[in-house]
Amino acid sequence: DGGITQSPKYLFRKEGQNVTLSCEQNLNHDAMYWYRQDPGQGLRLIYYSQIVNDFQKGDIAEGYSVSREKKESFPLTVTSAQKNPTAFYLCASNWGWTGELFFGEGSRLTVL
Amino acid sequence: GESVGLHLPTLSVQEGDNSIINCAYSNSASDYFIWYKQESGKGPQFIIDIRSNMDKRQGQRVTVLLNKTVKHLSLQIAATQPGDSAVYFCAEKTPGANSKLTFGKGITLSVRP
Repeated sequence: DGGITQSPKYLFRKEGQNVTLSCEQNLNHDAMYWYRQDPGQGLRLIYYSQIVNDFQKGDIAEGYSVSREKKESFPLTVTSAQKNPTAFYLCASNWGWTGELFFGEGSRLTVL
Repeated sequence: GESVGLHLPTLSVQEGDNSIINCAYSNSASDYFIWYKQESGKGPQFIIDIRSNMDKRQGQRVTVLLNKTVKHLSLQIAATQPGDSAVYFCAEKTPGANSKLTFGKGITLSVRP
C-alpha cells in the first residue's frame, strides 16, 4: 500500500546527542515536510523540500537539519543545539501544487 | 503575523447529536482550507477541504462551511459517533507556489455515550 512511513515510533535520547528520524514515502510526491507538535499547540513547520536536493527552513528550523538526496526520503536530524527537543514529530508529503498533506504516523522523541 | 485559531479548546457532545467545530482565520488572502482529524498517538488524517470560491462542501457525514466575510470556517459532523472522538485541526493556505499550510492549535472533540 502507498503511504508515508516514519521510524522509529518512539525514541529516547540523552542530552547532547544527535538523533535522526526517518521518513519514507512511496506516493511519488514531490514535496515533503517535517512538523513538530507539542501538547496544546498546532503543528509547526520545521523544514520542507519541494524537490530533490533542495530544502527550505520552516518556522522553527533552529537546532534541526535535513537532507533530500532521494525523492522518497526526507530524514530529520535533531541536533544537540535544539534546546527543547522532546516532542511528537510528523512527516508529511504532497505533490507540492495541492494543499492536502498526507501524514505519517509520527515519531515521539523524549530527551532524558 | 498570520494565524489560524479555534474558538474553543474542547467540545463535548452526546453520541448521535450533531457537532459543530469552529475556526477563525486571519489571512483574507487564503484560498484553500482543510480540516484534519488526529486520533491519539497518530498522524492527522484528511477529512474535507474547501476552496475560497465555495461557501459549502459536503462529504460523508461532514460539512464544511466557509464565511469569507468574517473569515470563519466550520466543520459540522452529523450524528456524532464515539469514533469521531479526536483532535480536529483547521488549516489555511494562501496562493502561490511556495505557499504552505498554516495550522490552528486544534480542538478536542469528546463524544459521550
